[in-house]
Amino acid sequence: DAGITQSPRHKVTETGTPVTLRCHQTENHRYMYWYRQDPGHGLRLIHYSYGVKDTDKGEVSDGYSVSRSKTEDFLLTLESATSSQTSVYFCAISQFAGTGALRDYGYTFGSGTRLTVV
Amino acid sequence: AQKITQTQPGMFVQEKEAVTLDCTYDTSDQSYGLFWYKQPSSGEMIFLIYQGSYDEQNATEGRYSLNFQKARKSANLVISASQLGDSAMYFCAMRGDGGFKTIFGAGTRLFVKA
Repeated sequence: DAGITQSPRHKVTETGTPVTLRCHQTENHRYMYWYRQDPGHGLRLIHYSYGVKDTDKGEVSDGYSVSRSKTEDFLLTLESATSSQTSVYFCAISQFAGTGALRDYGYTFGSGTRLTVV
Repeated sequence: AQKITQTQPGMFVQEKEAVTLDCTYDTSDQSYGLFWYKQPSSGEMIFLIYQGSYDEQNATEGRYSLNFQKARKSANLVISASQLGDSAMYFCAMRGDGGFKTIFGAGTRLFVKA
């Protein structure tokens, strides 16, 4: 009954091939995000979406593109995979953006995709 | 530029004792939100607690409290009565004005000893 699922969970791909990761939510949250997690760096934002067809870049967007054609789906594409893109990729959803609210429930994360580029 | 700093790569605590995980942040925004997340060895990310910058009271959620010192720009997580299941990686995070982007610190790995 998870409200957010990522697929695939694991993937090994060759350098130079395109790869698409999928994030699917059933919570009807407006905001969706893609992060990558690397040792010593915490999580870094790749791209995010604030509505259907509304997306923007994060701090490490080079080599990645995203699409959101439906509220529930947010796709991350590595256009030509490189070894530096070997990482764990997390999708997240949130009800809120903005700042300073008295209550906020943060992100709900997917289980992650472990991507290895060889 | 905004930044989150977690200076403790790893910490040990005895079961049933309290532990404080440090977090300092840097921002010029007047309005921001601070978050803590837990990542157990299984890999999932779990939201723990939130503090709004305008809230003068420290946030609490069960055994978790956030020691918010605005003037010092610190947002330390306090876990009371540590349990073995608290062994995990803990991330401090901040969302500033503009509201979409949350940045994360590098994390602190907590080990709870029996």
